[in-house]
Amino acid sequence: KQEVTQIPAALSVPEGENLVLNCSFTDSAIYNLQWFRQDPGKGLTSLLLIQSSQREQTSGRLNASLDKSSGRSTLYIAASQPGDSATYLCAVPRGGADGLTFGKGTHLIIQP
Amino acid sequence: EAGVVQSPRYKIIEKKQPVAFWCNPISGHNTLYWYRQNLGQGPELLIRYENEEAVDDSQLPKDRFSAERLKGVDSTLKIQPAELGDSAVYLCASRSRERGYEQYFGPGTRLTVT
Repeated sequence: KQEVTQIPAALSVPEGENLVLNCSFTDSAIYNLQWFRQDPGKGLTSLLLIQSSQREQTSGRLNASLDKSSGRSTLYIAASQPGDSATYLCAVPRGGADGLTFGKGTHLIIQP
Repeated sequence: EAGVVQSPRYKIIEKKQPVAFWCNPISGHNTLYWYRQNLGQGPELLIRYENEEAVDDSQLPKDRFSAERLKGVDSTLKIQPAELGDSAVYLCASRSRERGYEQYFGPGTRLTVT
Protein backbone atom coordinates (compact mmCIF):
# COMPACT_ATOMS: atom_id res chain seq x y z
CA LYS A 1 0.00 0.00 0.00
CA GLN A 2 1.37 3.37 -1.04
CA GLU A 3 2.12 5.82 1.78
CA VAL A 4 3.02 9.47 1.27
CA THR A 5 4.80 11.56 3.90
CA GLN A 6 5.35 15.30 3.84
CA ILE A 7 7.94 17.14 5.90
CA PRO A 8 7.72 19.59 7.55
CA ALA A 9 4.08 19.56 8.66
CA ALA A 10 4.22 23.34 9.11
CA LEU A 11 6.63 26.07 8.12
CA SER A 12 6.72 29.81 8.81
CA VAL A 13 9.31 32.00 7.06
CA PRO A 14 9.78 35.69 6.31
CA GLU A 15 8.87 37.03 2.92
CA GLY A 16 11.56 36.77 0.25
CA GLU A 17 13.13 33.52 1.42
CA ASN A 18 13.62 30.52 -0.82
CA LEU A 19 12.20 27.34 0.67
CA VAL A 20 11.91 23.61 0.06
CA LEU A 21 9.00 21.31 0.84
CA ASN A 22 9.63 17.58 0.97
CA CYS A 23 7.51 14.61 -0.07
CA SER A 24 8.41 10.93 0.19
CA PHE A 25 6.52 7.85 -1.01
CA THR A 26 7.00 4.17 -0.19
CA ASP A 27 6.25 2.55 -3.57
CA SER A 28 8.55 3.88 -6.29
CA ALA A 29 6.51 2.26 -9.07
CA ILE A 30 4.66 5.47 -9.88
CA TYR A 31 4.02 7.05 -13.25
CA ASN A 32 3.61 10.63 -12.06
CA LEU A 33 3.55 12.86 -9.00
CA GLN A 34 1.35 15.91 -8.56
CA TRP A 35 1.78 18.93 -6.29
CA PHE A 36 -1.30 20.86 -5.17
CA ARG A 37 -2.04 24.00 -3.25
CA GLN A 38 -5.06 24.31 -0.93
CA ASP A 39 -6.24 27.60 0.52
CA PRO A 40 -8.39 27.56 3.69
CA GLY A 41 -11.92 26.40 2.94
CA LYS A 42 -11.14 25.87 -0.73
CA GLY A 43 -10.53 22.99 -3.08
CA LEU A 44 -7.19 21.90 -4.48
CA THR A 45 -5.33 23.78 -7.20
CA SER A 46 -2.91 21.78 -9.28
CA LEU A 47 0.56 23.36 -9.33
CA LEU A 48 2.80 20.89 -11.12
CA LEU A 49 2.63 17.36 -12.45
CA ILE A 50 5.88 15.46 -13.00
CA GLN A 51 5.84 12.38 -15.19
CA SER A 52 7.96 9.45 -14.02
CA SER A 53 10.27 10.00 -16.99
CA GLN A 54 10.97 13.57 -15.90
CA ARG A 55 13.41 14.76 -13.28
CA GLU A 56 11.89 18.17 -12.71
CA GLN A 57 9.14 20.56 -13.74
CA THR A 58 9.03 24.33 -13.46
CA SER A 59 6.23 26.89 -13.33
CA GLY A 60 7.13 30.48 -12.51
CA ARG A 61 8.74 30.59 -9.07
CA LEU A 62 7.97 26.92 -8.46
CA ASN A 63 10.25 24.02 -9.27
CA ALA A 64 9.43 20.41 -8.47
CA SER A 65 11.91 17.56 -8.69
CA LEU A 66 11.34 13.83 -8.66
CA ASP A 67 13.72 11.01 -7.71
CA LYS A 68 11.78 7.79 -8.18
CA SER A 69 14.57 5.51 -7.05
CA SER A 70 14.77 7.13 -3.64
CA GLY A 71 11.02 7.75 -3.41
CA ARG A 72 11.33 11.51 -3.00
CA SER A 73 10.09 14.75 -4.47
CA THR A 74 10.79 18.34 -3.50
CA LEU A 75 8.91 21.54 -4.21
CA TYR A 76 11.15 24.58 -4.34
CA ILE A 77 9.55 28.02 -3.96
CA ALA A 78 11.75 30.95 -4.88
CA ALA A 79 11.42 34.45 -3.44
CA SER A 80 8.40 33.57 -1.29
CA GLN A 81 5.50 36.02 -1.01
CA PRO A 82 2.65 36.34 1.54
CA GLY A 83 0.29 35.14 -1.19
CA ASP A 84 2.11 31.80 -1.18
CA SER A 85 0.65 31.07 2.27
CA ALA A 86 -1.41 27.89 1.94
CA THR A 87 -1.24 24.14 2.49
CA TYR A 88 0.83 22.27 -0.09
CA LEU A 89 -0.01 18.64 -0.83
CA CYS A 90 1.78 16.05 -2.90
CA ALA A 91 0.03 13.03 -4.35
CA VAL A 92 0.81 9.91 -6.35
CA PRO A 93 -1.52 7.47 -8.12
CA ARG A 94 -2.75 4.55 -5.99
CA GLY A 95 -1.20 1.31 -7.15
CA GLY A 96 -2.68 0.07 -10.36
CA ALA A 97 -5.67 2.43 -10.17
CA ASP A 98 -5.19 6.09 -10.81
CA GLY A 99 -6.93 7.61 -7.85
CA LEU A 100 -4.41 9.65 -5.86
CA THR A 101 -2.79 8.92 -2.51
CA PHE A 102 -2.05 12.18 -0.72
CA GLY A 103 0.30 13.25 2.02
CA LYS A 104 -1.07 15.25 4.93
CA GLY A 105 0.39 18.44 3.54
CA THR A 106 2.76 21.19 4.62
CA HIS A 107 1.04 24.26 6.10
CA LEU A 108 3.09 27.23 4.90
CA ILE A 109 2.95 30.75 6.31
CA ILE A 110 4.93 33.56 4.68
CA GLN A 111 5.33 36.48 7.05
CA PRO A 112 5.14 39.96 5.46
CA GLU B 1 -13.06 26.62 -19.58
CA ALA B 2 -15.33 26.20 -16.56
CA GLY B 3 -13.90 24.23 -13.66
CA VAL B 4 -15.40 21.40 -11.64
CA VAL B 5 -18.65 22.52 -10.05
CA GLN B 6 -19.94 21.16 -6.77
CA SER B 7 -23.04 21.86 -4.73
CA PRO B 8 -23.95 22.56 -2.07
CA ARG B 9 -20.82 24.21 -0.70
CA TYR B 10 -21.90 23.67 2.89
CA LYS B 11 -24.35 21.30 4.53
CA ILE B 12 -25.32 20.82 8.15
CA ILE B 13 -27.50 17.86 9.06
CA GLU B 14 -28.42 15.83 12.11
CA LYS B 15 -27.09 12.29 12.43
CA LYS B 16 -29.21 9.57 10.84
CA GLN B 17 -30.44 12.01 8.17
CA PRO B 18 -29.67 11.46 4.47
CA VAL B 19 -27.52 13.86 2.44
CA ALA B 20 -26.50 14.14 -1.20
CA PHE B 21 -23.70 15.95 -2.97
CA TRP B 22 -23.63 16.86 -6.65
CA CYS B 23 -20.69 17.26 -9.00
CA ASN B 24 -20.44 18.53 -12.58
CA PRO B 25 -16.99 17.77 -14.02
CA ILE B 26 -15.10 19.75 -16.62
CA SER B 27 -16.69 19.29 -20.02
CA GLY B 28 -15.24 16.33 -21.88
CA HIS B 29 -13.55 14.80 -18.82
CA ASN B 30 -14.38 11.12 -18.84
CA THR B 31 -12.84 10.23 -15.46
CA LEU B 32 -14.53 11.45 -12.28
CA TYR B 33 -13.39 10.96 -8.67
CA TRP B 34 -14.94 11.49 -5.26
CA TYR B 35 -12.57 12.09 -2.35
CA ARG B 36 -13.16 12.71 1.34
CA GLN B 37 -10.88 15.04 3.31
CA ASN B 38 -10.88 14.98 7.09
CA LEU B 39 -9.53 17.94 9.03
CA GLY B 40 -5.74 18.10 8.88
CA GLN B 41 -5.48 15.19 6.45
CA GLY B 42 -5.00 14.77 2.74
CA PRO B 43 -7.96 13.70 0.61
CA GLU B 44 -8.76 9.97 0.41
CA LEU B 45 -10.28 8.37 -2.66
CA LEU B 46 -13.84 7.06 -2.29
CA ILE B 47 -14.74 6.12 -5.85
CA ARG B 48 -13.55 6.55 -9.44
CA TYR B 49 -15.71 6.54 -12.54
CA GLU B 50 -14.67 5.98 -16.13
CA ASN B 51 -17.60 7.45 -18.03
CA GLU B 52 -20.65 5.93 -16.28
CA GLU B 53 -18.85 2.86 -14.89
CA ALA B 54 -17.54 2.74 -11.31
CA VAL B 55 -14.12 1.13 -11.81
CA ASP B 56 -12.72 1.59 -8.29
CA ASP B 57 -15.08 1.74 -5.32
CA SER B 58 -12.97 -0.31 -2.92
CA GLN B 59 -12.75 2.57 -0.41
CA LEU B 60 -16.46 3.45 -0.47
CA PRO B 61 -18.30 2.41 2.72
CA LYS B 62 -21.07 0.64 0.89
CA ASP B 63 -23.32 0.13 3.89
CA ARG B 64 -24.24 3.80 3.93
CA PHE B 65 -22.60 5.45 0.90
CA SER B 66 -23.76 5.23 -2.70
CA ALA B 67 -22.84 7.04 -5.87
CA GLU B 68 -24.01 7.29 -9.41
CA ARG B 69 -22.92 8.91 -12.63
CA LEU B 70 -25.79 8.70 -15.04
CA LYS B 71 -24.95 9.37 -18.70
CA GLY B 72 -21.27 9.67 -17.79
CA VAL B 73 -21.40 13.37 -16.93
CA ASP B 74 -22.78 14.63 -13.59
CA SER B 75 -22.38 12.55 -10.46
CA THR B 76 -24.15 12.32 -7.12
CA LEU B 77 -22.71 10.96 -3.87
CA LYS B 78 -25.21 10.01 -1.17
CA ILE B 79 -24.91 9.12 2.50
CA GLN B 80 -27.83 7.45 4.26
CA PRO B 81 -27.91 7.54 7.22
CA ALA B 82 -25.19 10.03 8.12
CA GLU B 83 -23.04 9.49 11.20
CA LEU B 84 -21.02 11.97 13.24
CA GLY B 85 -17.79 10.59 11.75
CA ASP B 86 -18.92 11.54 8.25
CA SER B 87 -18.22 15.21 8.96
CA ALA B 88 -15.58 16.12 6.38
CA VAL B 89 -15.07 17.92 3.08
CA TYR B 90 -16.20 15.92 0.05
CA LEU B 91 -14.20 16.76 -3.05
CA CYS B 92 -14.95 15.93 -6.65
CA ALA B 93 -12.22 15.83 -9.30
CA SER B 94 -12.11 15.06 -12.99
CA ARG B 95 -9.56 14.19 -15.62
CA SER B 96 -9.40 13.81 -19.37
CA ARG B 97 -7.55 10.66 -20.41
CA GLU B 98 -6.67 12.31 -23.68
CA ARG B 99 -5.04 15.24 -21.91
CA GLY B 100 -2.88 13.32 -19.48
CA TYR B 101 -3.06 12.39 -15.84
CA GLU B 102 -3.59 15.78 -14.20
CA GLN B 103 -6.64 15.87 -11.92
CA TYR B 104 -8.70 19.02 -11.47
CA PHE B 105 -10.61 19.52 -8.23
CA GLY B 106 -13.81 21.30 -7.37
CA PRO B 107 -14.26 23.57 -4.31
CA GLY B 108 -15.73 20.76 -2.21
CA THR B 109 -18.77 20.36 0.02
CA ARG B 110 -18.17 20.81 3.73
CA LEU B 111 -20.47 18.45 5.63
CA THR B 112 -21.15 18.86 9.33
CA VAL B 113 -23.13 16.12 11.08
CA THR B 114 -24.50 17.10 14.50
